[in-house]
Amino acid sequence: QVQLQESGPGLVKPSETLSLTCTVSGDSISSSSYYWGWVRQPPGKGLEWIGTIYYSGTTYDNPSLKSRVTISVDTSKNQFSLRVKSVTAADTAVYSCARVNTGMLDAFDMWGQGTMVIVSS
Amino acid sequence: DIQMTQSPSSLSASVGDRVTITCRASQSISSYLNWYQQKPGKAPKLLIYAASSLQSGVPSRFSGSGSGTDFTLTISSLQPEDFATYYCQQSHSTLFTFGPGTKVDIK
Repeated sequence: QVQLQESGPGLVKPSETLSLTCTVSGDSISSSSYYWGWVRQPPGKGLEWIGTIYYSGTTYDNPSLKSRVTISVDTSKNQFSLRVKSVTAADTAVYSCARVNTGMLDAFDMWGQGTMVIVSS
Repeated sequence: DIQMTQSPSSLSASVGDRVTITCRASQSISSYLNWYQQKPGKAPKLLIYAASSLQSGVPSRFSGSGSGTDFTLTISSLQPEDFATYYCQQSHSTLFTFGPGTKVDIK
């Protein structure tokens, strides 16, 4: 059974860089049947897609984040990572990693439990 | 970008009720529409993918329909464990978008 687990600091100072890692267990992150993504949810608000990364390394990210996002993959560790630079209080949210299943027309079929990140000095 | 809207934004219903939630895309997305259920403090759970395909393990009282720009999620007989927030999401574009959500609570 595949599992995804987010890790990283729960508190980030304004203007600094938020960095999170998602560790995938139970499946290879290099599988061509899947690719990987990040979603966030500010307190009391809805879901926001942050970006996705294919096993080839190709990435797509939400234009609303104004190119502050970097997503990368480390196949040797079966992990993928998220960096959001120049954070503000508006980046405070629960950040979740998820698997995109190409056999399900690219639905997010597996999710991590999510990790709360607070941006505050 | 493809914008997603949902209606209603919230609804109150009783156990046993038939519930329908609507999702609309700003342009045609064929059948690239997914539905998720989220309970407080929990990760979203995939219910329906490709507009009408039921995810494994999801009760058959959940169903999805539609194509193009208009989609619906139907719960045929609402159960106590179904009180939650429901989100649609398009995966037609490489730039994914979620709908704003529909909260279903107890009447």
